[in-house]
Amino acid sequence: ELKVEQNPLFLSMQEGKNYTIYCNYSTTSDRLYWYRQDPGKSLESLFVLLSNGAVKQEGRLMASLDTKARLSTLHITAAVHDLSATYFCAVDEAYGGSQGNLIFGKGTKLSVKP
Amino acid sequence: GAGVSQTPSNKVTEKGKYVELRCDPISGHTALYWYRQSLGQGPEFLIYFQGTGAADDSGLPNDRFFAVRPEGSVSTLKIQRTERGDSAVYLCASSATGARSGANVLTFGAGSRLTVL
Repeated sequence: ELKVEQNPLFLSMQEGKNYTIYCNYSTTSDRLYWYRQDPGKSLESLFVLLSNGAVKQEGRLMASLDTKARLSTLHITAAVHDLSATYFCAVDEAYGGSQGNLIFGKGTKLSVKP
Repeated sequence: GAGVSQTPSNKVTEKGKYVELRCDPISGHTALYWYRQSLGQGPEFLIYFQGTGAADDSGLPNDRFFAVRPEGSVSTLKIQRTERGDSAVYLCASSATGARSGANVLTFGAGSRLTVL
C-alpha cells in the first residue's frame, strides 16, 4: 500500500526567508504532483514531476523529484505572505500497477508572517 | 463546462438519511475521481471512473457508499444511512488522461461539504 508522508505538517515562516517542505513515499512511482489549497477552497495544481531528477520552478517555488530516494522537495525562496496556504504532495499509484488514483499526503500548512 | 462543478455546495442531513452528491466534470475528461477530505487532513481516495466503469473503488469505506457514472460524464456519489463520521468535504476531480498516460493532472471541484447531525 502506497503511503505518502509530508513534513513538516505546520510551518511558520518570516517573510523573506527560505525553507523546504519534504514529501516521502513508500513504493515505486515516477509521477508526483504538488497542489495548493487556500482555506475553504479546493485544490489547485502547482507542479507535475514525471521523472527522476525533474525540477520545476514557478515564481518563489521550486519542486524536485528523486525517484531513487522516493523523495520530492518543495523549496520556498524569499517567502511572501501570499504563499500562505496548505501544500499537498500526491503520488500516482499507476506506475507498474493497475490503479490510476493519486494518494495524497496530509499537507503542510504554511503561514508566512511579516 | 469550464471547470468541475459540484452540487450541492453544502448539505446538512440527519443521521440515518440518504444523500446524493453530484459532480459534473470538465467536458471531454474521461477520468473522474471522488475524494473525501476531513478537517486538517489530505484528500482520501474513494473511487475512480474511467468512462462509465469504476476502475478502482477500493477507497469506498463500506457498502453504504456507492457511486455511478452512467453516461461517462456526470457522476453521483450516494451515501445510505449516513453517520456522523461521514461528515467531510467530498471532492470530485477529473482528468483528460487517467492512468498510465503520462501526466495525470487532476482538476478539482470546489467540493460538497456534508454535515451529518
